[in-house]
Amino acid sequence: DGGITQSPKYLFRKEGQNVTLSCEQNLNHDAMYWYRQDPGQGLRLIYYSQIVNDFQKGDIAEGYSVSREKKESFPLTVTSAQKNPTAFYLCASSQLETQYFGPGTRLLVL
Amino acid sequence: GQQLNQSPQSMFIQEGEDVSMNCTSSSIFNTWLWYKQDPGEGPVLLIALYKAGELTSNGRLTAQFGITRKDSFLNISASIPSDVGIYFCAGQLGGSNYKLTFGKGTLLTVNP
Repeated sequence: DGGITQSPKYLFRKEGQNVTLSCEQNLNHDAMYWYRQDPGQGLRLIYYSQIVNDFQKGDIAEGYSVSREKKESFPLTVTSAQKNPTAFYLCASSQLETQYFGPGTRLLVL
Repeated sequence: GQQLNQSPQSMFIQEGEDVSMNCTSSSIFNTWLWYKQDPGEGPVLLIALYKAGELTSNGRLTAQFGITRKDSFLNISASIPSDVGIYFCAGQLGGSNYKLTFGKGTLLTVNP
């Protein structure tokens, strides 16, 4: 099956801890994206990558980091510098303009 | 950043009714996309529009790319309970950067 997978579905973070969210795609898409979604809000772009080994900050990159070592993988690390990390995180990929989304990871702070 | 105004914020309708929602922008977009999101899931692409004036259907859904390239609407005909969810519009400015700007969503509730 072609698609985008995100894991885990739920993730708990302790204060001061870094956590990493996984995103994998087998659609052979060049571009990948991370969004944050808060209740009643639209999607806000955290980071995006248009090609392997390159990525750019989105609108709310502070407190987050990413890597793009492989075309199919774009992990997101939520660092301890992100003071309000509780949210629903969505990964997407695209070949051109049309983005396709994964099922999301819900991050909760203990 | 870019702003997309999506309206209405929420709608509560009876099963069988038609629904219309729209998005407007202060900027010209080259692409408009419409997504539906169920609770706790990722958005699913419904319709993609690539040309000003384009009218595209997907089953009971119809979307149009406004002629000014600053707006788009989505219609759902003969709504059914499984249409419940949040509908998002998204616009893309064009060029080599494929970043999307999203509306805040329309929450649709269908009363059986």
